[in-house]
Amino acid sequence: DTGVSQDPRHKITKRGQNVTFRCDPISEHNRLYWYRQTLGQGPEFLTYFQNEAQLEKSRLLSDRFSAERPKGSFSTLEIQRTEQGDSAMYLCASSHRGGDGYTFGSGTRLTVV
Amino acid sequence: KNEVEQSPQNLTAQEGEFITINCSYSVGISALHWLQQHPGGGIVSLFMLSSGKKKHGRLIATINIQEKHSSLHITASHPRDSAVYICAVLQGAQKLVFGQGTRLTINP
Repeated sequence: DTGVSQDPRHKITKRGQNVTFRCDPISEHNRLYWYRQTLGQGPEFLTYFQNEAQLEKSRLLSDRFSAERPKGSFSTLEIQRTEQGDSAMYLCASSHRGGDGYTFGSGTRLTVV
Repeated sequence: KNEVEQSPQNLTAQEGEFITINCSYSVGISALHWLQQHPGGGIVSLFMLSSGKKKHGRLIATINIQEKHSSLHITASHPRDSAVYICAVLQGAQKLVFGQGTRLTINP
C-alpha cells in the first residue's frame, strides 16, 4: 500500500458540467476525509466517513456536492453543475480511529472555465 | 478571528538559520499536526502532537496545551526546506481545522 491515491490529478471542466473525483485510502484506515483548498488558503473540511457512514458534512458542501463511500473503501466526490467558484484543490485524507496515521493524498486540482 | 492562527505568514531566511513558526489556537483539541506542503499541492504530515515535544532530524515541534500554542523549529535550514508549513488541530470526530500556512523560503 503506497498511501492515499487520488484520481484524477488535474481536471479542467466547463461551467455547468458534472465532475467526479475518486480517493483510495490506506487500506487499513477506517476514516476518510475530504478537504478543499483554494489558492493561498489552508484546507477547509468538507466531509468525513467512518467506514461507509458519512458522519459529518460541512455547510460548505452545498446541494451540488455529494460524497459516497459505498463499501467503506474508496470514496467519490461529485460536483454537479460546476461553477467557477468550485475551482480549488480537493484533498482526501485517511486515518485510523483516533487520528493516528493521518495521511493525505496528492489532491485533485479542479479548474472550472 | 480564525480558530487557528499562524505566524509569520511569510518567512525568508538564509541557509543555515534557525527557523521558528508559531501556531495559536482557540478551540479544544485532541492533537495538533504540523504539515508540509510543496508546490503542486501534496501535503505531508511532519508531526502529530498532544503534549510536550517531538524531534525528527532537523525538525522540532513543541506544544503547550495550557497556553494553546505550538511551535515548529527547523535547525540548520536548507533551501530544500522551502515550502508552506501548516498547523492543523484535530477537533471533534477527528476532522482537522487548518491555519492559513506559513510560506518559508530559504535562500542559499
